[in-house]
Amino acid sequence: KAGVTQTPRYLIKTRGQQVTLSCSPISGHRSVSWYQQTPGQGLQFLFEYFSETQRNKGNFPGRFSGRQFSNSRSEMNVSTLELGDSALYLCASSLAGAGGETQYFGPGTRLLVL
Amino acid sequence: GESVGLHLPTLSVQEGDNSIINCAYSNSASDYFIWYKQESGKGPQFIIDIRSNMDKRQGQRVTVLLNKTVKHLSLQIAATQPGDSAVYFCANANQGGKLIFGQGTELSVKP
Repeated sequence: KAGVTQTPRYLIKTRGQQVTLSCSPISGHRSVSWYQQTPGQGLQFLFEYFSETQRNKGNFPGRFSGRQFSNSRSEMNVSTLELGDSALYLCASSLAGAGGETQYFGPGTRLLVL
Repeated sequence: GESVGLHLPTLSVQEGDNSIINCAYSNSASDYFIWYKQESGKGPQFIIDIRSNMDKRQGQRVTVLLNKTVKHLSLQIAATQPGDSAVYFCANANQGGKLIFGQGTELSVKP
């Protein structure tokens, strides 16, 4: 079974631009969560989607948004990019996103904002 | 708020020795914990998990111990190999698909 895939793997943007990242979960998984990883803050939860609905959200500004499609694929969007948005963005999938489920991660998208 | 913390940011061991990576958590209601391994340039990889109704769980060369009294868990890696060099994270899974991660311990294995 194929793992979680993320595209693109690398991105370079400039301040003020917007970016869209894509995540395809493991087949059969309906929950997709997004995380931001930086050296200073570590891994931080952005949001989680299940059945095309955002169920949980972390403490990030409204510039960070996401959506999920009927095939469970998910996208996240960051508008008006800031230098501090430079990070590795990871998505993870699980069957239903319940508290006791393992989440499996993709390789991440490394975003550099100049 | 909830937090998950690791005791040491770095750990260096000799190849063949056993490694122990520690983690503490704050939420006594936490009932599911996961250890992840992250190699450079890759996403976190699932190693082993444990639920709060267990004290110990073993996998291939890895053992996780959970002490709910002091809110502490540890990951033991037996006969550590160079391929085990990575950053290890403990994570607490609560409701709603949200993982709370510790800061990570970087394990270096000396040949």
